[in-house]
Amino acid sequence: GNSVTQMEGPVTLSEEAFLTINCTYTATGYPSLFWYVQYPGEGLQLLLKATKADDKGSNKGFEATYRKETTSFHLEKGSVQVSDSAVYFCALSGRDDKIIFGKGTRLHILP
Amino acid sequence: SQTIHQWPATLVQPVGSPLSLECTVEGTSNPNLYWYRQAAGRGLQLLFYSVGIGQISSEVPQNLSASRPQDRQFILSSKKLLLSDSGFYLCAWTLGLSNTEAFFGQGTRLTVV
Repeated sequence: GNSVTQMEGPVTLSEEAFLTINCTYTATGYPSLFWYVQYPGEGLQLLLKATKADDKGSNKGFEATYRKETTSFHLEKGSVQVSDSAVYFCALSGRDDKIIFGKGTRLHILP
Repeated sequence: SQTIHQWPATLVQPVGSPLSLECTVEGTSNPNLYWYRQAAGRGLQLLFYSVGIGQISSEVPQNLSASRPQDRQFILSSKKLLLSDSGFYLCAWTLGLSNTEAFFGQGTRLTVV
């Protein structure tokens, strides 16, 4: 079945550092790919998405590119802020209507 | 606009007691509905999903069941809770297209004692 693997956390960075959170997937067909974020004390919300190969999703300075050849959807941000501290989930949605999430990566940004 | 309601927010139940968590969606028709459990180190585990009334797909064989008695209502149940059922349960909905985002409820923190 479909699955998502993302890097284990926690990840701790200083403010203004470059961020990469790796995500790879296994899926039949051509799934849509998502990054969700869960800020402390809040529910999950969509951060960005990409629905086909080579698409780039972007939002709030975060970017991720749908790489079919490497089955990856890595999340990047050029300069993180303290307010980016949260848990980030990579997810995919396929033709079977199932939405599969990774285990989540907790990000701590130090001022 | 669409909203999702999930209740209760917290619940403490004794081992062996029944469970009923309810989720309702407003402002849309025929949504796909999902139940997840969030546990530390295991991320979001898909438990059940439904693409229509009475249609339930189970992902993880366990002590829980789900039902969808109405188009926008999704219920998670157990006849006898186990200690291992403790966790954070989240309901979500989508428009039923694979490229659309999921909207989540605020979750239920269940503690089985």
